[in-house]
Amino acid sequence: DVKVTQSSRYLVKRTGEKVFLECVQDMDHENMFWYRQDPGLGLRLIYFSYDVKMKEKGDIPEGYSVSREKKERFSLILESASTNQTSMYLCASRYRGRGYTFGSGTRLTVV
Amino acid sequence: QQQVKQSPQSLIVQKGGISIINCAYENTAFDYFPWYQQFPGKGPALLIAIRPDVSEKKEGRFTISFNKSAKQFSLHIMDSQPGDSATYFCAASMFSGGYNKLIFGAGTRLAVHP
Repeated sequence: DVKVTQSSRYLVKRTGEKVFLECVQDMDHENMFWYRQDPGLGLRLIYFSYDVKMKEKGDIPEGYSVSREKKERFSLILESASTNQTSMYLCASRYRGRGYTFGSGTRLTVV
Repeated sequence: QQQVKQSPQSLIVQKGGISIINCAYENTAFDYFPWYQQFPGKGPALLIAIRPDVSEKKEGRFTISFNKSAKQFSLHIMDSQPGDSATYFCAASMFSGGYNKLIFGAGTRLAVHP
C-alpha cells in the first residue's frame, strides 16, 4: 500500500511566520496534491504537481506556494501565515488515474 | 461556487438501518465519481467509485446509485454499523486544462448509534 506521510500532525505558528508543511510518498507516484479541509466546505485544492519541479495552481492558491524538488516530496509553503489559514491540510498522491491516497493531515493553527 | 453539492451535512442512523447520502453536480464533463470515507484523525480513504456508464455499483454493504439524467448520485450503506461512523465525501472528476481535476462535496458526518 502507498504511504503518504505528513511530517507534522499539529502545528501552532504565529501570524507572519513562514510555514513549511512537508509531505512524502513512498511509491514513486507522479501526481501529488495539497488540499485544505474546513468544516462545511469539504476539501479544496490549493496546489498540485504532475512531476518534479512542476506545479499548478488549484482553486485556492492565494497565500500559498509549493516546492517539488524530488519526486517523493511535495512541500506546501505559507509565505506569511495569517489566521484565516488556520485549517487542516491534507496531502495526497496518485498514480495515473487511480484513486487518491491521502496522508493523515496537519492541523495548523495560526495565532 | 460549489460544483458538487452534498447533503445532508450530518446524519444519525440506528444500527442496522440504511444510511443515504446524496450528491448533485452540474458539469456534464465529470466522468468519475468516487466516495471517500474519513475517520477522525485520518485522511480520507477511497471507499467506492462509479463511472457514468453504469447506474449502480455495489461493494459489500456500500452501493452507489447514479442518475445521469438528473446529475445526481448517492451512497447507500446497508445494515449500518457503529464502525461506519465517519465523515463521507462525494467527489467528481474530469479532465480539464491538461489534467484530471477532483472536486469534493462538503462532506456528511454520519453517526451510527448502537
